[in-house]
Parts: sequence; C-alpha cells; structure tokens
Amino acid sequence: KAGVTQTPRYLIKTRGQQVTLSCSPISGHRSVSWYQQTPGQGLQFLFEYFSETQRNKGNFPGRFSGRQFSNSRSEMNVSTLELGDSALYLCASSLAFSSGSWGTQTQYFGPGTRLLVL
Amino acid sequence: AQKVTQAQTEISVVEKEDVTLDCVYETRDTTYYLFWYKQPPSGELVFLIRRNSFDEQNEISGRYSWNFQKSTSSFNFTITASQVVDSAVYFCALSDNYQGAQKLVFGQGTRLTINP
Repeated sequence: KAGVTQTPRYLIKTRGQQVTLSCSPISGHRSVSWYQQTPGQGLQFLFEYFSETQRNKGNFPGRFSGRQFSNSRSEMNVSTLELGDSALYLCASSLAFSSGSWGTQTQYFGPGTRLLVL
Repeated sequence: AQKVTQAQTEISVVEKEDVTLDCVYETRDTTYYLFWYKQPPSGELVFLIRRNSFDEQNEISGRYSWNFQKSTSSFNFTITASQVVDSAVYFCALSDNYQGAQKLVFGQGTRLTINP
C-alpha cells in the first residue's frame, strides 16, 4: 500500500505570495491532518479534515486554510506569506471514525513539504 | 490544556548502550492515546507505537520497549543495545480526541545520536 504523498517536496517563495500544498492520503483513509514544524515552535497542529469537512483547527491565523476533496486528497493554502511561515509542513492520514465516535487512530505521516519564504 | 514534555533535548551515547527517552504528559481526559514517532534526517515522521489510557501493560518490540505509568503520567521509551541507525529525533505525542477529531499534541522532541 502506498504511503502518504506530499507535493511539492520543496518550495521557495517570497513574502506576500501565496502557496498551495497538496497531500494524498493512504488509500482508504478519510482523515487528513496538517502540521507545521519549525525549530522554535516544534510540531504544531494546523487542522484536520474528515469527509471534506474541517473538524478541528489549531491556533493559526486565517491566512492558513485548507480543504479536502471527495477522494480524500487535501490541500492547504497559505496566503500573504511571512518569513515566519518558513517550515516543514507535514500531512498525516488516518482511518478516523466519524464525529461522535470514540477512539484515536494512528496518524501516518508523509515526507513533508519544506517551505522557505524569502 | 494538554501538554507533553520531553525534558531531554539531546542525548548522545555509544553504540550498544541502552538509552531511555522520557515523556511526561498532562491531560484532564480519562480517555486518551499516547504515541511515539521517529523522525530521521529525511523529515518523515515514522510511527512507532500507540497506547491507550486503559492499557498500562508495558510493550516490547525487538530492541524497543515502552513503559507506561498513569500514576506518574509518563510514557518512557527505551532502546536496548542501540545502533547507529537509531540516530534520529524522537517525539512523544498525546491525542486530543474531541468528537472523533484527530489531533496530536507533540513534545519538543529528543535528538538521539548513537556514536559508533
């Protein structure tokens, strides 16, 4: 079974630009989560999508947004890039249950997209 | 709020030594999950183990073992007879399972270096 894939792997942008990152989950996984990893803040949760709906959102400004398609693929977008947005963006997928159900499934991570903002 | 603390920022040992990575967590939930992930230089987080709050049995997988103690809110990870390939950053994580949503709260990570 193929793992989580993310494209592109590396990206260089300038301040003020916007960027879109893509994530394809493991086949059959309906939940996709996004995380930002920086040396200063560590790994921080951005948001999670399940069945095309955002279920949970971390403490990030509205410049960070995402969406999920009917095939569970997900994209995240960052608008008006700032220098501090330079980070490794990791996507994870899991066999999550529907809302209201109990249990946390294991999240499997992709290789990440390394974004550099100049 | 949930919190995970990995007090050891960096550990360096010589190959074949045993090494324990500490993880202490805070949560008000009675039901939760704990995880360990390995991050090699390539950047991808590799899943190692998942443990739920109702199962306090220790687990062993080859050279890896985990000690979960609810009384001290700790979930420590031991590598026996370490090898150079074990060099990586290791993260402990706690789940936030509000209404089925999948969210992990990570510790700051422990950078483990195994020297030949």
